[in-house]
Amino acid sequence: SQQGEEDPQALSIQEGENATMNCSYKTSINNLQWYRQNSGRGLVHLILIRSNEREKHSGRLRVTLDTSKKSSSLLITASRAADTASYFCATPITQGGSEKLVFGKGTKLTVNP
Amino acid sequence: DGGITQSPKYLFRKEGQNVTLSCEQNLNHDAMYWYRQDPGQGLRLIYYSQIVNDFQKGDIAEGYSVSREKKESFPLTVTSAQKNPTAFYLCASSFGQPYSNQPQHFGDGTRLSIL
Repeated sequence: SQQGEEDPQALSIQEGENATMNCSYKTSINNLQWYRQNSGRGLVHLILIRSNEREKHSGRLRVTLDTSKKSSSLLITASRAADTASYFCATPITQGGSEKLVFGKGTKLTVNP
Repeated sequence: DGGITQSPKYLFRKEGQNVTLSCEQNLNHDAMYWYRQDPGQGLRLIYYSQIVNDFQKGDIAEGYSVSREKKESFPLTVTSAQKNPTAFYLCASSFGQPYSNQPQHFGDGTRLSIL
């Protein structure tokens, strides 16, 4: 698997339901980030969770991080049609002496009105 | 409002032609990045720059070139050596070090197609 890999690849729910997306990674990290991408647009940063944090909230978003399982989850509560987008996790790696973020392939979320 | 501006939004390239994608930021960010996104895929890093007049190759730099003459600007040239340039190109920036601990701010992308 890649450094960061989201699951499921696609998710379709009804408005008002909760949506949960998962991210697994391979190497030790000091933080993990979640981004949203609306169709045809750039990515928007949602949350950064550090390795010493287990849970973080932002509005209707809840992110958890389990470093022992090398996994993170993004929960969107009471979803709205406007939450329809692709969601990506990003994890840092050090390669050739430089740091960079590696993005997964994303989870495509569809919220049906 | 501060942000990242990419232009043009759509670009068409003829065979054998070089094209340049513009990326400008007014966030006073030190680091800038270029990514390529293919349908249903994640982002792949083309080039990045952490300081003016310095840049590093990413994972898929072949067929691309960049310059960083000003802090605000990081143009990407897709050369004729890039045989499969059709993709969505995203520019991003971030502030300070360590770079992997900072959120990245993205432009709205340039969609490049071959004529």
